[in-house]
Amino acid sequence: NAGVTQTPKFRVLKTGQSMTLLCAQDMNHEYMYWYRQDPGMGLRLIHYSVGEGTTAKGEVPDGYNVSRLKKQNFLLGLESAAPSQTSVYFCASSYYPGNTEAFFGQGTRLTVV
Amino acid sequence: GQNIDQPTEMTATEGAIVQINCTYQTSGFNGLFWYQQHAGEAPTFLSYNVLDGLEEKGRFSSFLSRSKGYSYLLLKELQMKDSASYLCAADNYGQNFVFGPGTRLSVLP
Repeated sequence: NAGVTQTPKFRVLKTGQSMTLLCAQDMNHEYMYWYRQDPGMGLRLIHYSVGEGTTAKGEVPDGYNVSRLKKQNFLLGLESAAPSQTSVYFCASSYYPGNTEAFFGQGTRLTVV
Repeated sequence: GQNIDQPTEMTATEGAIVQINCTYQTSGFNGLFWYQQHAGEAPTFLSYNVLDGLEEKGRFSSFLSRSKGYSYLLLKELQMKDSASYLCAADNYGQNFVFGPGTRLSVLP
């Protein structure tokens, strides 16, 4: 059972380049999330989805876009990368978040130079 | 709005007991989660409290007071492998999770 899988695990981008991070889960979860984690700031929610075909903004959505075309996949896009987007990105999924925990992928370490 | 606060760092000795506090101010709150995160790894679930009181799970216990907006994680018989960050999180109207900044615990021999 793979759980939540993120690709890639590491990436270096130049300022202005674009990229897509892929998150896949095999637990049939409805809810999926993208967080970024920076030193001293904990996990901050970028975007989330409450089901296939839906997306919503979180706390820090600017500069990112997402899509949830299939229930098992949640994509995070950076259209024009900036150094401020250097971070560790975590994808997570859950059943209803009001009473069940989130399962996390292993993270993507992104550096924008 | 959502606001969750935890101490930034704590240090304790192997074999001791440590209590990590978390205060929260959130609307649409259902329950409080605790996660453990080792350096360079993903967070993993430790506990969930929805009712007031203490939940015990082996060496780890978690407490919740909804009226005070307060929770703590109690770690007993500390081991070196418990050195990690501990994150408290609240669900947000059942839509997503809001995390605190995390407490980095160092266990010394």
